[in-house]
Amino acid sequence: QSALTQPPSASGSPGQSVTISCTGTSSDVGGYDYVSWYQQHPGKAPKLLIYEVYKWSSGVPDRFSGSKSGNTASLTVSGLQAEDEADYYCSSYAGSNIVVFGGGTKLTVL
Amino acid sequence: QVQLQESGPGLVKPSETLSLTCAVSGYSISDGYYWAWIRQPPGEGLEWIGSLYHGGNTCYNPSLKSRVSISVDTSRNQFSLRLSSVTAADRAVYYCARLWGGSSHVDYWGQGALVTVSS
Repeated sequence: QSALTQPPSASGSPGQSVTISCTGTSSDVGGYDYVSWYQQHPGKAPKLLIYEVYKWSSGVPDRFSGSKSGNTASLTVSGLQAEDEADYYCSSYAGSNIVVFGGGTKLTVL
Repeated sequence: QVQLQESGPGLVKPSETLSLTCAVSGYSISDGYYWAWIRQPPGEGLEWIGSLYHGGNTCYNPSLKSRVSISVDTSRNQFSLRLSSVTAADRAVYYCARLWGGSSHVDYWGQGALVTVSS
C-alpha cells in the first residue's frame, strides 16, 4: 500500500480559501467513500476534521469542507484564520481493513 | 469521555522488540470499534501500523506485517503493540487510537509516546 499523495505545503492569507488535495488510486480513495481529514498542531495528536469524504466531526466549524472526485479527495478551508496554521493529513480505507495515510500538507497562514 | 494513554519504554536497543500498551478509559474495548496503532517519525507523516477488532482479530500494514503483533487484554481494558527487530527507522511517536470499522476514521487518539532506537 503506497501513501496517498498530498502537496507538501499550501498557504493563504487570512480570510482566503485554500484547497488541499489527496490523490490515491481506485483501490483506496477512488474505491470507497471513506476518506477522512485530520489537523495536527505541533507537538499534538491529530484531530479529526472530516470523515466519509464530507461529514464534519463534532465541533468542527463548517469552514472546513471535504469532497472527492475520482481518485482525488480535497479539503477546503474557507475564511482562513491564524489558528488554521497546522499540518493536514488525509487517510482512506484501502480494503481488507487496511488504512492508508497521506504524506501531509503544511498549511501556512500568511 | 473516551481516553487513551500509551505507556512503555522510551528507549529500545536495535534488533530488540518494542513493546507499548494502550490503556483505554471511558469505553469498554470489548463493546466494539476497532483499536489501532499509528506512528509518526519526527518531522514526517502518519503511518498506520495495524488494527485490532472484534473477537481479537487483527490486520496489519503489509510493510510491517512480518514484525508486528497487536493483542488485547479485555480484563484490563487495554491493548498492546509489539514490533520486533527494530532499527533506527522505527524511531517515532507511537499513537494508539480508536478507529471506526468500515469508514476507518479515528475519532480518539492517545497523546503519543516517543520511542527511540539506540544502543
